[in-house]
Amino acid sequence: DADVTQTPRNRITKTGKRIMLECSQTKGHDRMYWYRQDPGLGLRLIYYSFDVKDINKGEISDGYSVSRQAQAKFSLSLESAIPNQTALYFCATSDAADQTRETQYFGPGTRLLVL
Amino acid sequence: GESVGLHLPTLSVQEGDNSIINCAYSNSASDYFIWYKQESGKGPQFIIDIRSNMDKRQGQRVTVLLNKTVKHLSLQIAATQPGDSAVYFCAENWTGNQFYFGTGTSLTVIP
Repeated sequence: DADVTQTPRNRITKTGKRIMLECSQTKGHDRMYWYRQDPGLGLRLIYYSFDVKDINKGEISDGYSVSRQAQAKFSLSLESAIPNQTALYFCATSDAADQTRETQYFGPGTRLLVL
Repeated sequence: GESVGLHLPTLSVQEGDNSIINCAYSNSASDYFIWYKQESGKGPQFIIDIRSNMDKRQGQRVTVLLNKTVKHLSLQIAATQPGDSAVYFCAENWTGNQFYFGTGTSLTVIP
C-alpha cells in the first residue's frame, strides 16, 4: 500500500550496531504499529502508538524502542542489534475514527539481516 | 498466551476451482477477525473481516465463515485465479487494541 511507506526496504547490519527503521503514512490515521514477521510464526507486535503522545509496548518490545515524531511518522530503533532480530519488519496504521472496521493497513516491509 | 493457527501450511488448487483456507483460534472471547493476503515481497493486505455476532460475510469472490462453537474461521475463494496465489492468514482481536495473527497458509493456483 503506497499510503504507508517504509525505509529502508532492506538492511544488513552487524551485531551491536544501532539502526533505525522508519515509517511514514499519508492516510491520516492516528494509530501506528510495528510488527516483526519470522518464518513459521505469525506477525508479532513490537510497539504501537494511538497518537503522538501515546506509546505502548507490544508482545515483544525487549531490545526495541520507538519514536512517534508526528502523526504521520513512527520509527523503530534497535539500540544494539543482535542476530535473532533478523526478520521482516512491518509498519501498519489504523483509523481510530472508523468504528466499523479496525483493520490495519500495512507498509511493504523492511527486511533486516543482523550478522 | 493465546494462539491463532492454521490447519494447513500449503494448499494447491486448480485455476477456476474454489479454495478453502481454515483457521483455528483458541480464545472464545475473540470478537473480531480479519483475513489478510500477503503476496511475495509485499505487506499484508486486508481481504475481509467479520465480527463475532455474524456467522458469514461475503465480499467479492470471498466468503468468511465463523463457527464460534468450535472456534473456527474459514476463507472461501470462488473461482480461484493465478493472482490469488499468496500467503493467507487470519487475525483475531479480543483486547480491542491488539491483534494476534496466525502463521499463514500458502495458496498456489495451478493454471
